[in-house]
Amino acid sequence: QVQLQESGPGLVKPSETLSLTCAVSGYSISSGYYWGWIRQPPGKGLEWIGSIYHSGSTYYNPSLKSRVTISVDTSKNQFSLKLSSVTAADTAVYYCARHQAGEVDYWGQGTLVTVSS
Amino acid sequence: QSALTQPRSVSGSPGQSVTISCTGTSSDVGGYNYVSWYQQHPGKAPKLMIYDVSKRPSGVPDRFSGSKSGNTASLTISGLQAEDEADYYCCSYAGSYTFLWVFGGGTKLTVL
Repeated sequence: QVQLQESGPGLVKPSETLSLTCAVSGYSISSGYYWGWIRQPPGKGLEWIGSIYHSGSTYYNPSLKSRVTISVDTSKNQFSLKLSSVTAADTAVYYCARHQAGEVDYWGQGTLVTVSS
Repeated sequence: QSALTQPRSVSGSPGQSVTISCTGTSSDVGGYNYVSWYQQHPGKAPKLMIYDVSKRPSGVPDRFSGSKSGNTASLTISGLQAEDEADYYCCSYAGSYTFLWVFGGGTKLTVL
């Protein structure tokens, strides 16, 4: 059974960098699929942040592209998200996910990140 | 890339059918057969209900069905049950030369 688990600070100060990691078990990241990040501000809808293909190619939401970096560590079977220069608008539940071109088949449980001083 | 348009809310009585629409453009919904639908209960991660416009993952009841016409995709839930009350989100591939996804704003389904 594929499982994904997000980890990282729950509180980040404005202007700093948000960093999250997604640990994957039950499947090797290097074997296939896209591995992505999706967020959901409190009481609002879902927003795709970006994804990394198993080959290492990265794809980002144009609205966030200048601030986002997604990377993978195949030795640890995990991938990471960095979002720089955060503001209160970046407060959200952040989900990591395994997906194909059209759909997410496995989600992490989500982690709330609050941007506040 | 703009979000896909969904009604803010829909409702129906147990046993009835409801349809949730998801309107985009020829650059997303109308251009690709990569439309998916997710169900989300409060405090939970979304769950895949429909993918590739009309395919159902294993374990999803056949009461859930998807379709598409032009730039609008639809999710129909027949034989409504109390547990169907949740938020529903559509998602479409939207990348002509790169990978890009766009989500709908979400629809709150209330089972009366």
